[in-house]
Amino acid sequence: GAGVSQSPSNKVTEKGKDVELRCDPISGHTALYWYRQSLGQGLEFLIYFQGNSAPDKSGLPSDRFSAERTGGSVSTLTIQRTQQEDSAVYLCASSLRGQGTGELFFGEGSRLTVL
Amino acid sequence: QKEVEQDPGPLSVPEGAIVSLNCTYSNSAFQYFMWYRQYSRKGPELLMYTYSSGNKEDGRFTAQVDKSSKYISLFIRDSQPSDSATYLCAPRPSGYSTLTFGKGTMLLVSP
Repeated sequence: GAGVSQSPSNKVTEKGKDVELRCDPISGHTALYWYRQSLGQGLEFLIYFQGNSAPDKSGLPSDRFSAERTGGSVSTLTIQRTQQEDSAVYLCASSLRGQGTGELFFGEGSRLTVL
Repeated sequence: QKEVEQDPGPLSVPEGAIVSLNCTYSNSAFQYFMWYRQYSRKGPELLMYTYSSGNKEDGRFTAQVDKSSKYISLFIRDSQPSDSATYLCAPRPSGYSTLTFGKGTMLLVSP
């Protein structure tokens, strides 16, 4: 596709369940980012991938959060044992890092609600 | 002090007004200053960016950076209802690193 694709667009889960969120970046973009946006809050950085490696995972809030990227393309963000405070919109972005302004192209997000 | 601060608003203006959106930052290493626009239930999209101090104009939008006071502004002339969105500033240092976003200012332009 032409843009960053995220799935599911909406996810409702029960506290304690695991969830997986998927991001399909723009073809050819080497850098991939995950951000979290809670109600009334700004974008909180979670993790950055360059290719398949994650040189910066400093924003992951706890060890319940993990992410991987395979084939330099699709990425999955996994949240284990979800808590109510995990409810947020999870945004994925990709970019041609190292070129131009490094503009981030965002997907429309996955809205997670933990009951 | 947070690295990037923005007044969350909402800022409500009538159509045709001149809008001023502002951002302050604390990291003197920031060299690129980006403004992203986010419509409701959409991902942010880059609106414009400037490098170092000065002004940059793009149609009805003007971005202004004053590095001496660590103050960033986005001006919108002849505001339209379609400008209603949240505007996020995102400065970064030279070299490539993760963007730090402000919380964003919600703008509402009424017809």
